[in-house]
Amino acid sequence: DSGVTQTPKHLITATGQRVTLRCSPRSGDLSVYWYQQSLDQGLQFLIQYYNGEERAKGNILERFSAQQFPDLHSELNLSSLELGDSALYFCASSAAPGNGYTFGSGTRLTVV
Amino acid sequence: GEDVEQSLFLSVREGDSSVINCTYTDSSSTYLYWYKQEPGAGLQLLTYIFSNMDMKQDQRLTVLLNKKDKHLSLRIADTQTGDSAIYFCAETRRRDAGNMLTFGGGTRLMVKP
Repeated sequence: DSGVTQTPKHLITATGQRVTLRCSPRSGDLSVYWYQQSLDQGLQFLIQYYNGEERAKGNILERFSAQQFPDLHSELNLSSLELGDSALYFCASSAAPGNGYTFGSGTRLTVV
Repeated sequence: GEDVEQSLFLSVREGDSSVINCTYTDSSSTYLYWYKQEPGAGLQLLTYIFSNMDMKQDQRLTVLLNKKDKHLSLRIADTQTGDSAIYFCAETRRRDAGNMLTFGGGTRLMVKP
């Protein structure tokens, strides 16, 4: 157990639907990062939150959004889902750069 | 990402050393990391090196960094079948406000008994 908890582990949904992925960071970590891992794009950074505030944005589609709550857990919302959104979505947390980034076990999203 | 590149595949025999290579382009790299991903699993941090270091050793793992050539390598001594996995190098860069990780495409290591 890495200390970063992601739920659900698997999600199957239809095109056009909306889903919410949840991440609880390791205790004491203020930063949460979301990554998408797909076969054709590799591991892509989506978005980062630090202590409730958006800190950096990567290749995140407008159909996707995220937030970090006062208890530091984060949610990634994916809407108007397309087949190409099928991927593994990872959350990572960190206390500070150089300490390493701890990853959760991921949510596997399948859009049918 | 295209900023960090790795070869796709490496096959070694059990007991041999494995060397996985990575090149990066950004001169503002601060830390460089190696992660391991086993099938169906998340990313496990193996080791990291600060950009002003040349080498770091941790048990069977040796990381070498050539900052002039922007080349990073991970050597696994006495490779075991349990080392079969995908290995990702990643960097954090001073120019990125969020200190996010930028990953290479991963190298699949296959260890033959």
